[in-house]
Amino acid sequence: NAGVTQTPKFRVLKTGQSMTLLCAQDMNHEYMYWYRQDPGMGLRLIHYSVGEGTTAKGEVPDGYNVSRLKKQNFLLGLESAAPSQTSVYFCASSYAGPNYGYTFGSGTRLTVV
Amino acid sequence: LAKTTQPISMDSYEGQEVNITCSHNNIATNDYITWYQQFPSQGPRFIIQGYKTKVTNEVASLFIPADRKSSTLSLPRVSLSDTAVYYCLVGVGTSGGYNKLIFGAGTRLAVHP
Repeated sequence: NAGVTQTPKFRVLKTGQSMTLLCAQDMNHEYMYWYRQDPGMGLRLIHYSVGEGTTAKGEVPDGYNVSRLKKQNFLLGLESAAPSQTSVYFCASSYAGPNYGYTFGSGTRLTVV
Repeated sequence: LAKTTQPISMDSYEGQEVNITCSHNNIATNDYITWYQQFPSQGPRFIIQGYKTKVTNEVASLFIPADRKSSTLSLPRVSLSDTAVYYCLVGVGTSGGYNKLIFGAGTRLAVHP
């Protein structure tokens, strides 16, 4: 049972490049989330999903897109990376929302130069 | 939105009990209170969750008064390995059927020898 797996773990992008971060969970959770964490700060919610085929905006959605084509996968896309998107990205999943607790992945460290 | 307020940082020594208090004046009737722990370069980890009164597990205790406007995480006999950031969260009530957790800055606990 792997829990929540994020790929890649590290990535360096040039400004303007695009990339997709993959989050996969094997717990049959309905809810999935993408957060970013900047140095010394708490986590900020980017986008989330409450089930296959659904997505919704969080606190800081600009510059990101997401898709939830399969229940177990939640993809985060950067169409045109900017240095301000340098951060650590965490994916989380939950059985049925915040009252059931979240399981987090180990994070993706992204640097945009 | 049930915002939470907790101390930015705390210091303690090995073997002491640590109590971290969180205020959440606008908590909704159906919201649970959840605490997470985050070590450097790792995703947050679920510690404990409660609705009212007292909850205890092998890691911590959570005390919630009758009015539920605050909660206290209690870590018994801390060790150096308890040095981490601790987040207090309450679920956000449904909006269009969606639920999400918003993280604050957390409390940085430093345990000294």
